[in-house]
Amino acid sequence: DAKTTQPTSMDCAEGRAANLPCNHSTISGNEYVYWYRQIHSQGPQYIIHGLKNNETNEMASLIITEDRKSSTLILPHATLRDTAVYYCIVCGFDAGKSTFGDGTTLTVKP
Amino acid sequence: DVKVTQSSRYLVKRTGEKVFLECVQDMDHENMFWYRQDPGLGLRLIYFSYDVKMKEKGDIPEGYSVSREKKERFSLILESASTNQTSMYLCAIGTSDFSGANVLTFGAGSRLTVL
Repeated sequence: DAKTTQPTSMDCAEGRAANLPCNHSTISGNEYVYWYRQIHSQGPQYIIHGLKNNETNEMASLIITEDRKSSTLILPHATLRDTAVYYCIVCGFDAGKSTFGDGTTLTVKP
Repeated sequence: DVKVTQSSRYLVKRTGEKVFLECVQDMDHENMFWYRQDPGLGLRLIYFSYDVKMKEKGDIPEGYSVSREKKERFSLILESASTNQTSMYLCAIGTSDFSGANVLTFGAGSRLTVL
């Protein structure tokens, strides 16, 4: 699976959009980009995934660059409950063998 | 929605004790995984299973074993707990969608302290 690089931490004001970047320059053609988040003392929670196209669901939007070497997770109106560690994962068929690194700690401030 | 239930949220055990961590899913999914999570080390895969009675070693299987006698239940066993097994243990199931993407659903985690 391709390796990802994320900033260690980010802050965001409540009500503003949170844009979390991820670099995955070695991604291969059949690998998806997945985002998860982990709120303190809980298991990671799936947010969204994509292959080539931008995706949106009720939680977030995922923007993938045309060359697929990077992506951005967008939380359009961040709330205090969005404070969590966000993981960007790139993997092929078997997500269970994915590498979850340290992710980005997002702190949403009032 | 898929539900993954881990039997214990917090456990405290003594060195040398046998520890069972259970994970139960409420759907008919084949793929189940056990991880441990430690600060600075991310999630590390211990064991996984693709079907009943089937098990495969992950990246750090030493000191652990697993059991999958029924499809819905995947148990992690510490035969003789040691202090370096103090950690957060996470169970997950993998589900595929129509596009071939594979999403993980995690349990709430079991925080084990070995004294």
